[in-house]
Amino acid sequence: AQKITQTQPGMFVQEKEAVTLDCTYDTSDPSYGLFWYKQPSSGEMIFLIYQGSYDQQNATEGRYSLNFQKARKSANLVISASQLGDSAMYFCAMRERFSGGYNKLIFGAGTRLAVHP
Amino acid sequence: DTEVTQTPKHLVMGMTNKKSLKCEQHMGHRAMYWYKQKAKKPPELMFVYSYEKLSINESVPSRFSPECPNSSLLNLHLHALQPEDSALYLCASSHTDNYGYTFGSGTRLTVV
Repeated sequence: AQKITQTQPGMFVQEKEAVTLDCTYDTSDPSYGLFWYKQPSSGEMIFLIYQGSYDQQNATEGRYSLNFQKARKSANLVISASQLGDSAMYFCAMRERFSGGYNKLIFGAGTRLAVHP
Repeated sequence: DTEVTQTPKHLVMGMTNKKSLKCEQHMGHRAMYWYKQKAKKPPELMFVYSYEKLSINESVPSRFSPECPNSSLLNLHLHALQPEDSALYLCASSHTDNYGYTFGSGTRLTVV
């Protein structure tokens, strides 16, 4: 069975500094996808970044980058130049693919990030 | 249109009420999902529809009844809920052949 682990219940960072949120995963499927979502207190799940298991390079999206270490089964999110608006819950998730043409997204427990001025 | 729209945003219902949550997308996604999220917990999958057919039911109690009337709409019918069913209900959609998941902003349900 697939599993996602986020070991940091809470993190804080000073504004304008970089922060790394940890995520490890376990799967026997050679083809998988890893996601990071941001969830502000309003509740919506905001997609941040995606890494496919066969992608050779680490994914980047603006201030977000994913430090993908396949052999170690880790997919850490790096947020550069933190902003006050980055304060939110962050979820790492992994896609489990089914033959019926649909996916199942499995979430880690989440990390609450607080950005301090 | 790149959104998943959920209505209502907030709902308070009694344990004897019948209500429905609605989810709509016009991105051509053929897979749609209902997730339940309790406070300070990750979302948990409830149902998956693929091509308007129920593909996964994660052992959800029968007081939750999903419906997919067409490829753009997903409903969740609620009946005789318990206070512990109070949660944020998130709808999502995706293409069936790639990674794109789009979530709605959710319905905050309170059962009294």
